[in-house]
Amino acid sequence: KQEVTQIPAALSVPEGENLVLNCSFTDSAIYNLQWFRQDPGKGLTSLLLIQSSQREQTSGRLNASLDKSSGRSTLYIAASQPGDSATYLCAVPSGSARQLTFGSGTQLTVLP
Amino acid sequence: GAGVSQSPSNKVTEKGKDVELRCDPISGHTALYWYRQSLGQGLEFLIYFQGNSAPDKSGLPSDRFSAERTGGSVSTLTIQRTQQEDSAVYLCASTREVDYGYTFGSGTRLTVV
Repeated sequence: KQEVTQIPAALSVPEGENLVLNCSFTDSAIYNLQWFRQDPGKGLTSLLLIQSSQREQTSGRLNASLDKSSGRSTLYIAASQPGDSATYLCAVPSGSARQLTFGSGTQLTVLP
Repeated sequence: GAGVSQSPSNKVTEKGKDVELRCDPISGHTALYWYRQSLGQGLEFLIYFQGNSAPDKSGLPSDRFSAERTGGSVSTLTIQRTQQEDSAVYLCASTREVDYGYTFGSGTRLTVV
C-alpha cells in the first residue's frame, strides 16, 4: 500500500526567503506525482505535475523535482511572498482506481 | 466547463437527514473521483467512476453513502441519515486519464448539526 509523507508539517519563513518542501513515498512504481496548494476552506489547486520519466518541472517561482528510485520529491519556492501562505500537498496515483494518495501536507506561512 | 464545479458550496443539515452533493466535471474527462477531508485529517478516497464501467466503491465508509454518475458526466454523492461524523469537506476531481493529472473542484463543506 502506497504511503506518502510530507515534512515539515509546518513552516514559517520571512518574505523573500527561498524554501524547500519535502515529499516521500514508499512505492516507487508511480505514474506521476502532483503538487497541490490548498487555501483555508478552499479546494485544491494543481501546481505542478511530474511524470515518472521526468526529473523536474518548473512553473514561475516553483520548481518540483522527482527522484523515483529513492521515493522522494521536493517543491522549491523561490523568493517567497505572503500570498504563498497555504497548505501544500503532494499526491501520487495508486491502486486499481488510480486514486490519489496524499501526504498530510505542509502548512506554509510567509511573514511580511 | 472550464473547471470542476461543485454544489452547494456549503450545506448545513440536521442529523438524520439525507443530503445530495453534486459534481460537474470538466467536459471530456472520463474519470471522476470523490474525496472527503475531515477537520484536521487528510484526504480520503471515497469512490471512482470511469466511463461506463461499474464504479469503484471501495472507499465508501458505510452503506449510508452512495453515488451515481449520469450520462458519464454529472455525479451526485448521497449521504443518508447523516451523522455528525459526516461533517467534512467533500471534494470532487476529474481527469482525462492519469497521465494528465487531476483537477479538483472547490468542494462542498457539509456540517451536520
